[in-house]
Amino acid sequence: DAGITQSPRHKVTETGTPVTLRCHQTENHRYMYWYRQDPGHGLRLIHYSYGVKDTDKGEVSDGYSVSRSKTEDFLLTLESATSSQTSVYFCAISDGVKETQYFGPGTRLLVL
Amino acid sequence: AQKVTQAQTEISVVEKEDVTLDCVYETRDTTYYLFWYKQPPSGELVFLIRRNSFDEQNEISGRYSWNFQKSTSSFNFTITASQVVDSAVYFCALSAVDSGGYQKVTFGIGTKLQVIP
Repeated sequence: DAGITQSPRHKVTETGTPVTLRCHQTENHRYMYWYRQDPGHGLRLIHYSYGVKDTDKGEVSDGYSVSRSKTEDFLLTLESATSSQTSVYFCAISDGVKETQYFGPGTRLLVL
Repeated sequence: AQKVTQAQTEISVVEKEDVTLDCVYETRDTTYYLFWYKQPPSGELVFLIRRNSFDEQNEISGRYSWNFQKSTSSFNFTITASQVVDSAVYFCALSAVDSGGYQKVTFGIGTKLQVIP
């Protein structure tokens, strides 16, 4: 199994507060991704990174920002959490843009 | 537009029955990759298989088999002699270059399989 951890695994927060989720990998993979999973939508890409300090938007990036200052860490920040951001968030890594993505265990976020 | 359709949202079978999960995809790219992932009730996403568009050979791995047909743009997944441990949500995914020239991965919405003992 790929070495991917996510923290926290569960979080409850209030509307309007900032939240940061962390993804950490030990595989030295170049690409890292943040997805959200919601019923009826499958997995939707929020942001991805193709190297240190190189990031780009996915299909549902509004209200989210990311940072990658080290190869192993990819942070997802909800600038001002809203109830619509209640979801399960998955981090993924891959060795190349066409390669298989391996997923972390997920973070369950509840915004009240 | 790039798209993955998993028309079966939920399937229930009795243990030991065979079951096929359908996946139909759309892409204009000629070189693309198809994937299946399993998400058991514990929530993690487990990679099952990756196929490139030039390899239409069917693949078998134990009780699992995959049927890739470019002519019908389908990549179906069959579980033979299903077991309770196969109960999960299964996602099909497509990686291809989109209309903007970027490699993009698109997931289907998933098929929830329940295997009844």
